[in-house]
Amino acid sequence: EADIYQTPRYLVIGTGKKITLECSQTMGHDKMYWYQQDPGMELHLIHYSYGVNSTEKGDLSSESTVSRIRTEHFPLTLESARPSHTSQYLCASSEAGSDTEAFFGQGTRLTVV
Amino acid sequence: RKEVEQDPGPFNVPEGATVAFNCTYSNSASQSFFWYRQDCRKEPKLLMSVYSSGNEDGRFTAQLNRASQYISLLIRDSKLSDSATYLCVVNPIGQNFVFGPGTRLSVLP
Repeated sequence: EADIYQTPRYLVIGTGKKITLECSQTMGHDKMYWYQQDPGMELHLIHYSYGVNSTEKGDLSSESTVSRIRTEHFPLTLESARPSHTSQYLCASSEAGSDTEAFFGQGTRLTVV
Repeated sequence: RKEVEQDPGPFNVPEGATVAFNCTYSNSASQSFFWYRQDCRKEPKLLMSVYSSGNEDGRFTAQLNRASQYISLLIRDSKLSDSATYLCVVNPIGQNFVFGPGTRLSVLP
């Protein structure tokens, strides 16, 4: 089993609230990623990091922000949640190098009401 | 054109059938290749890496053709538990993973 954890697993929150989705991995991976996925749809990369103090925006524009202060921790924050943010958010990590697989957390299913 | 394209699906097959999934990629700098499986409302999980010489893991066989930029996955003797979405993934040198849209498989009793 992959050692990458996301909390909470499910979150229902009101419009305008600030939320932080947590992601931690214990594998010492330098690379970490956040993906957004709607039911039955494709994965979309919204943020990634190649190491501490490195954060980049992904292919899909997102109003969320991320930080990478520690290797093992890559939280995602929404300052003001909206119903359009309702989706599943998947965190992943991988070793440096291009011949390694990505390991995924179990995801956070976010509903903004 | 998408960087990674897969059969649109869904594939509905009876138990015991052999099913093949196809995937093409456009970035010739792609270095490594994978098939992931994603169950409904779950996270993607690695099914198998794909090597140039082709590789087999039980009922699953993956093939790679770098010249044609084509990847395949063959599932033999399909089981009900094989029902899932199969994601083709490529990893170009110096870039992030590129996930295909997935092909959904339903194995019917």
